[in-house]
Amino acid sequence: NAGVTQTPKFRVLKTGQSMTLLCAQDMNHEYMYWYRQDPGMGLRLIHYSVGEGTTAKGEVPDGYNVSRLKKQNFLLGLESAAPSQTSVYFCASSYLGGPDTQYFGPGTRLTVL
Amino acid sequence: DAKTTQPNSMESNEEEPVHLPCNHSTISGTDYIHWYRQLPSQGPEYVIHGLTSNVNNRMASLAIAEDRKSSTLILHRATLRDAAVYYCILRDVPGTASKLTFGTGTRLQVTL
Repeated sequence: NAGVTQTPKFRVLKTGQSMTLLCAQDMNHEYMYWYRQDPGMGLRLIHYSVGEGTTAKGEVPDGYNVSRLKKQNFLLGLESAAPSQTSVYFCASSYLGGPDTQYFGPGTRLTVL
Repeated sequence: DAKTTQPNSMESNEEEPVHLPCNHSTISGTDYIHWYRQLPSQGPEYVIHGLTSNVNNRMASLAIAEDRKSSTLILHRATLRDAAVYYCILRDVPGTASKLTFGTGTRLQVTL
């Protein structure tokens, strides 16, 4: 039982490049989330999903897109990366009907030059 | 979401108890109190949560004031592995998807 995994762990992009971050969970959770954490700050929600095929905007969605084609996977895309998107990205999941305890992945450290 | 206030940092000696306070004077009757912690270079980790009564689990205890305007996370015997940033978070409507509002938390340092 791996819990929540994220791919890749590190990535360096040039301004304008695109990339996709993959989050996978093996706990059969309905809900999945993408957060970003900037240095010295708390996490901020980018997008989330309440089930396969559904997504919703969070607190800071601009510049990002997401997809949830399979229940266990949640993809975060950056179409045209900007230096302001340099951050650590965390994925989380939680199950329907519980106290919404969120289980987090180890994070992806992204640097945009 | 109702706001929480925590000290920026605290220090503890190893093997001693640690009491991490959190003020939430605007808490509503349906807000659950959640605690998460984030170890260095890792994602946040759930610690404990409660509504009105004190709660215990294998990681910690949560003491909730009678008026629910404050709570305290208790680590009974701090170890070096407990050095982390601890976040106190209020959540309404459990069982629905919504964001966790992370503030800056309390950075706990544990020394020998």
